[in-house]
Amino acid sequence: DAKTTQPNSMESNEEEPVHLPCNHSTISGTDYIHWYRQLPSQGPEYVIHGLTSNVNNRMASLAIAEDRKSSTLILHRATLRDAAVYYCILKMTQGGSEKLVFGKGTKLTVNP
Amino acid sequence: EPEVTQTPSHQVTQMGQEVILRCVPISNHLYFYWYRQILGQKVEFLVSFYNNEISEKSEIFDDQFSVERPDGSNFTLKIRSTKLEDSAMYFCASSIRDRGLSWQFFGPGTRLTVL
Repeated sequence: DAKTTQPNSMESNEEEPVHLPCNHSTISGTDYIHWYRQLPSQGPEYVIHGLTSNVNNRMASLAIAEDRKSSTLILHRATLRDAAVYYCILKMTQGGSEKLVFGKGTKLTVNP
Repeated sequence: EPEVTQTPSHQVTQMGQEVILRCVPISNHLYFYWYRQILGQKVEFLVSFYNNEISEKSEIFDDQFSVERPDGSNFTLKIRSTKLEDSAMYFCASSIRDRGLSWQFFGPGTRLTVL
């Protein structure tokens, strides 16, 4: 799986937007960009995924650069419950391994 | 909303003992996984399971580990002879595939403490 680079930590204030960056300069054409998060003392949780176009769901938005070498997870209004480690993971589509390769992720702190 | 469940939430065992960690994946999912996370470290893939057989395993998943889907609903991880370094959170996950794409749903984990 291609490698991703994320900042170790970020801080935000409650009810403000948060932009979590991820660099993946060696991404291949068949790699989807997945984001998971892990709240304290819990298992990882799927957040969102995308290939080329920006994506929105009830949890977050994913903005993907035109060259696909970077992406940004956007939490529109951070809450205290969003404090977690956020992982950006590349995953192939058909024929690829099903395993998720977790890096260290970005630890998001949300201040009240 | 359907969820992956795991039992027990915490297991304490003596070194050398066998442990079985249990998971109930989401009912229509076909792919099953075990991951582990040693305290303060990254989440690590152990094994994936599909169509009643192991589809992929990591270097960590040696002969001391085995997985089974004994009854069509449970998915178990057995560690035959536990070592101190097996102490970790163990997460079960399941997924389906939709047009070649899958995303995994994780359980809350079992904390294994080997004394």
